Amino acid sequence: DAGITQSPRHKVTETGTPVTLRCHQTENHRYMYWYRQDPGHGLRLIHYSYGVKDTDKGEVSDGYSVSRSKTEDFLLTLESATSSQTSVYFCATLGLTAYGYTFGSGTRLTVV
Amino acid sequence: GDSVTQMEGPVTLSEEAFLTINCTYTATGYPSLFWYVQYPGEGLQLLLKATKADDKGSNKGFEATYRKETTSFHLEKGSVQVSDSAVYFCALRGGGADGLTFGKGTHLIIQP
Repeated sequence: DAGITQSPRHKVTETGTPVTLRCHQTENHRYMYWYRQDPGHGLRLIHYSYGVKDTDKGEVSDGYSVSRSKTEDFLLTLESATSSQTSVYFCATLGLTAYGYTFGSGTRLTVV
Repeated sequence: GDSVTQMEGPVTLSEEAFLTINCTYTATGYPSLFWYVQYPGEGLQLLLKATKADDKGSNKGFEATYRKETTSFHLEKGSVQVSDSAVYFCALRGGGADGLTFGKGTHLIIQP
């Protein structure tokens, strides 16, 4: 396993506040991803990174930003949280020679 | 763009029944295909994968065959157990490393 740790595991925040979710991996994988999971939508890609300081937008990137200053850390920031961003957020990594992705345990975010 | 369609369920079966979860896809080129499983409160785990046409992925009694002619990757198991109760996601990866495209997930419930 890639050894992916997401923090926090649960968070409740108020509308309009900034929130940062952290994904930490110990396997030196180049590619990292942030997904959100919502009922009836499956998992949808928010942003991804293909190296330090190299990131790109996914399907549902509006309202989110990311940063990757070190190989092992990929941060997802909600600049001003909205109720529509209440979701479960998953981080994933992809090794250079792997066909599959490894997922973290998720962060359940509630925006009230 | 790429897309994956799967039955959403819930699918309810009795223990030892035969399972089929249908998955069809739309993609350019030659995608790799995956089935992931999510147990309650956990992240996604890779169940099986296939990387080219006619490949059969298998794991834990589950099987799926990559059918290019019908653009399908149906998941099957001959005799399900209560412990198979979970949400199953079909997914594809295109040629690049810009993430997986998921179906909406199928909630499987196995009754004793």
